[in-house]
Amino acid sequence: GAVVSQHPSWVICKSGTSVKIECRSLDFQATTMFWYRQFPKQSLMLMATSNEGSKATYEQGVEKDKFLINHASLTLSTLTVTSAHPEDSSFYICSARPAGEKLFFGSGTQLSVL
Amino acid sequence: GESVGLHLPTLSVQEGDNSIINCAYSNSASDYFIWYKQESGKGPQFIIDIRSNMDKRQGQRVTVLLNKTVKHLSLQIAATQPGDSAVYFCAETFTGTASKLTFGTGTRLQVTL
Repeated sequence: GAVVSQHPSWVICKSGTSVKIECRSLDFQATTMFWYRQFPKQSLMLMATSNEGSKATYEQGVEKDKFLINHASLTLSTLTVTSAHPEDSSFYICSARPAGEKLFFGSGTQLSVL
Repeated sequence: GESVGLHLPTLSVQEGDNSIINCAYSNSASDYFIWYKQESGKGPQFIIDIRSNMDKRQGQRVTVLLNKTVKHLSLQIAATQPGDSAVYFCAETFTGTASKLTFGTGTRLQVTL
C-alpha cells in the first residue's frame, strides 16, 4: 500500500527556536496533504491543508505565521513551527491520499519544546 | 465531531471476547466514515470504512455499523486479541472536502489476558 513518511520521529528543541517537520509521499504524488496535531490523550485536530504550488489553507484558530507550511513538490510538504514554545509541544501527524484510494497517515513527529 | 475532554474513555475486554466501540458523529452532511487504530507514538492506521448509503460493512474480524438516524457509528471486533490494544478513533468527512477528516474523541481498548 501507499506510504507516507514523516521525519523526524521526535525532536527536542529550546524555546524560541524553529523546527521543521517533513512529510513525504513515497510511492505516489499528492497535490494535497493534511497536517494534524494531537495533544496527549486527545484526538487529532486538523491544523491545515497543504496545497502543492499554492498557499496552505489553515483551520480556524491556527496561526499561519507560526505554523509555516510549504508544499513545493508533489511528494513533499513541510511544517515549520516558528519560535516554538512549550505549549507547542505536541504530536504532529501528516496525511495524504493517492488518487482513488483512502487516506494514509505518517508515523507522526513528537515535538518537545523545553 | 470536535474532540473534547482531557482523557480518553477506556474499554476493558478479556482476550477472546468481542469488543464494541461506539462513536457519535456531529455532521449530518457527512457521507463517509472511517475507523482508525492508533498505537502509542504512531500515526493512525486504517481499519475499515463505510459510506452513508450502507448501514453495515464487514472486514476481517471487524464490523462497522452506521445509524444515520441518530448519527452513530460502532466498531465491533470479534475475538479480541492483545494486539488489538490501542486507541480507536472514528472519523467523518463529506467526500466533497477531499479527505478533510474530523476525528471523534477516541476510545482506549485494553485487552486483558
